[in-house]
Amino acid sequence: EDKVVQSPLSLVVHEGDTVTLNCSYEVTNFRSLLWYKQEKKAPTFLFMLTSSGIEKKSGRLSSILDKKELFSILNITATQTGDSAVYLCNIVRNAGNMLTFGGGTRLMVKP
Amino acid sequence: DVKVTQSSRYLVKRTGEKVFLECVQDMDHENMFWYRQDPGLGLRLIYFSYDVKMKEKGDIPEGYSVSREKKERFSLILESASTNQTSMYLCASSGQGRPGANVLTFGAGSRLTVL
Repeated sequence: EDKVVQSPLSLVVHEGDTVTLNCSYEVTNFRSLLWYKQEKKAPTFLFMLTSSGIEKKSGRLSSILDKKELFSILNITATQTGDSAVYLCNIVRNAGNMLTFGGGTRLMVKP
Repeated sequence: DVKVTQSSRYLVKRTGEKVFLECVQDMDHENMFWYRQDPGLGLRLIYFSYDVKMKEKGDIPEGYSVSREKKERFSLILESASTNQTSMYLCASSGQGRPGANVLTFGAGSRLTVL
């Protein structure tokens, strides 16, 4: 059975801290891994990772995929209160359009 | 801007009632999805559709049905609502055969409470 596991489940940090969120997976026919950020409403897209070892970066956020060890990390440096959200990891498989989400990591950044 | 619109943000229904959740997207996307989101369980796929009149079961289709009569509209139907269907329902869409096709665009969600 396909599995996508995110850790930690939740995290509380202070502004300025650096955080690392983890997504590990066991899926058949892996195509790509996507990260989303969900604040109060709809998740919004952050990164799509297809190849191992290539870092994607957007401002203070970065992410990398390890297809050998089957995980991805999402790093946020110099956190701000606006980074408080649930971060979702999503695996896209080659077979059809089935997409599998992890349970999410809830991040709270305190001032 | 890609837009996915869900018709109701908040609904309160009684056990046994029929519930319709509507979702409309304006980007000519082929794929549309219905998820439910519960604390600690993340997003779970109920049904998806990759074309008009086509539907595929997701991970938790029991107690739900869907309808896709037009490309832009994907409806989720609860024939007889039960209290364990109290949840946040998220609709999403994505394109096909183009770069970034698997990126989902989500609606704002519909929070359903079944009493």
